[in-house]
Amino acid sequence: DIQMTQSPSSLSASVGDRVTITCRASQSISTYLNWYQQKPGKAPKLLIYAASSLQSGVPSRFSGSASGTDFTLTISSVQPEDFATYYCQQSFSIRDTFGQGTKLEIK
Amino acid sequence: QVQLVQSGAEVKKPGSSVKVSCKASGGTFSSYAISWVRQAPGQGLEWMGGIIPMFGTANYAQKFQGRVTITTDESSSTAYMELSSLRSEDTAVYYCARAHDNGYRDFDYWGLGTLVTVSS
Repeated sequence: DIQMTQSPSSLSASVGDRVTITCRASQSISTYLNWYQQKPGKAPKLLIYAASSLQSGVPSRFSGSASGTDFTLTISSVQPEDFATYYCQQSFSIRDTFGQGTKLEIK
Repeated sequence: QVQLVQSGAEVKKPGSSVKVSCKASGGTFSSYAISWVRQAPGQGLEWMGGIIPMFGTANYAQKFQGRVTITTDESSSTAYMELSSLRSEDTAVYYCARAHDNGYRDFDYWGLGTLVTVSS
């Protein structure tokens, strides 16, 4: 299976900060990379699909980019409602895999 | 509006099986891939397997191969996930999720989750 290595596992930020989360694939996955946000007790919510396409209804402060097997989720100015856990998911192979998650906490 | 309604919480004994259902409404069921994702307490998301109802063939994560079976009933727009030989480590919330129809298999709709507790 394709391994997705997500970093950091946690980070602290203040409201208004710019935050970057990275996911690295163990092999080429083209742009078959999606990002989700999950809050405690809730189902995940799709933020970004195809590495850089913003899901309908998601604020434009969220963006995604790709460079080879490295993928980045950026929050340009963190808002109070953004404190959550973020996951990447590769859907290149017939067997999807998720990254380990990044917990974004309030500093 | 698409909705995925999952069956209720289950408590199972080690060694037994559990079957969780996911009923879709508000969209075309047959052509969208449905996947099952689980989350153990305090842990991350884990993809278990998926199926496209109109094709009927499921793919499974290697970890669950031989122990999980994903099926669909197109007549009732319902997907099922059955996990056998349960052990305590299978205690988790099990989600069904529907893939976007854009070819990237991102999950744009999720069920609320079904808690399965495995305990003697």
